[in-house]
Amino acid sequence: GAVVSQHPSWVICKSGTSVKIECRSLDFQATTMFWYRQFPKQSLMLMATSNEGSKATYEQGVEKDKFLINHASLTLSTLTVTSAHPEDSSFYICSAKEDSYEQYFGPGTRLTVT
Amino acid sequence: GDSVTQMEGPVTLSEEAFLTINCTYTATGYPSLFWYVQYPGEGLQLLLKATKADDKGSNKGFEATYRKETTSFHLEKGSVQVSDSAVYFCALVNTGFQKLVFGTGTRLLVSP
Repeated sequence: GAVVSQHPSWVICKSGTSVKIECRSLDFQATTMFWYRQFPKQSLMLMATSNEGSKATYEQGVEKDKFLINHASLTLSTLTVTSAHPEDSSFYICSAKEDSYEQYFGPGTRLTVT
Repeated sequence: GDSVTQMEGPVTLSEEAFLTINCTYTATGYPSLFWYVQYPGEGLQLLLKATKADDKGSNKGFEATYRKETTSFHLEKGSVQVSDSAVYFCALVNTGFQKLVFGTGTRLLVSP
């Protein structure tokens, strides 16, 4: 089956630093990848949609300069949280899909900013 | 726009009880419907799906039927286990669109 990995699975960083999260499709080519944010006991909030080789499309209210998304290849997308602050602490989940509508989700990355 | 409404949780059951988690949707056209499950500290796993009216998705004892007339996709299981404790998300995607629209999730707690 289609497998999506994320790295790291958890990360702790200091306020003001930047952190990069990787999302990889392991056995298929992901033409589109999605980044979600999930607050405790809440649903997933779509942050942005990225297509390989083009700029990401951000959802309303998501700061483009703070959450940098790069979809450099058909198997890799990265989310960089720049100048992180405690309010950025959250569970970040990526998903990926090929040509069909079905998305495959990564296991998530828990970010804690101290 | 498209939306998904789920019953609020938590749903608390004893082992071997019958489970129903209600899900209704609003969408234009003919969406595909999904149930995802999220275990503590993990990402989402696709539990089952249905792509057209009257389709029944099933997996691991769970099932849900795509009811266009009532715009519903209720999740059921005849006998729950402690290991079923998780958060369940109902979702839809409209043909031609990329975005999954999620419900708010329903937490299921199963006690021995």
